[in-house]
Amino acid sequence: AQSVTQLGSHVSVSEGALVLLRCNYSSSVPPYLFWYVQYPNQGLQLLLKYTSAATLVKGINGFEAEFKKSETSFHLTKPSAHMSDAAEYFCAVSDPPRNIIQGAQKLVFGQGTRLTINP
Amino acid sequence: SAVISQKPSRDICQRGTSLTIQCQVDSQVTMMFWYRQQPGQSLTLIATANQGSEATYESGFVIDKFPISRPNLTFSTLTVSNMSPEDSSIYLCSVELGGGETQYFGPGTRLLVL
Repeated sequence: AQSVTQLGSHVSVSEGALVLLRCNYSSSVPPYLFWYVQYPNQGLQLLLKYTSAATLVKGINGFEAEFKKSETSFHLTKPSAHMSDAAEYFCAVSDPPRNIIQGAQKLVFGQGTRLTINP
Repeated sequence: SAVISQKPSRDICQRGTSLTIQCQVDSQVTMMFWYRQQPGQSLTLIATANQGSEATYESGFVIDKFPISRPNLTFSTLTVSNMSPEDSSIYLCSVELGGGETQYFGPGTRLLVL
């Protein structure tokens, strides 16, 4: 069974500092991996995804993540935090689609990391 | 991506009643998903809804409690039946886009059961 572990339910960084949110996964097949962000009172927005192409994935708002199979990790980083980055971040894993007809597999989410930015 | 809307955006309900949540997409999609996010927790898949077939429920979720309709390729409803305070959650629908790779989420319905 798939699972996702996000290390640190709360992370606090200063504005302008490096953001590092940790995600480790467990999967019996080569996974698809995703990072979503949830701003207060909103739904989930896709930040970036890994689907077996380049291991370093760039997303929106200056975020990127690197897939490391040997470490079963998919950590999210941003070089310089901005106040607007304050939100809840979710890492998720899915199996690849079995075929075009069947489509996407279900997402298994981590517990989330609340990112706080200090001025 | 697609524009996904949900109605209602939030509601306060009395225990024992039922609430039907609507999810509308601005393009035709094959697969739609319903998730629950309990207070302070992560998202859990309730069921997968394909147009023209019965919804597939995850372990711990049953059709009598969470009946789902999927009448066409742009719309789905989730009903939370015979509600109790434990059903207080955010309910989100998502749709598959990107050739089966990616799910995009609606804004969610915030439900409080008293």
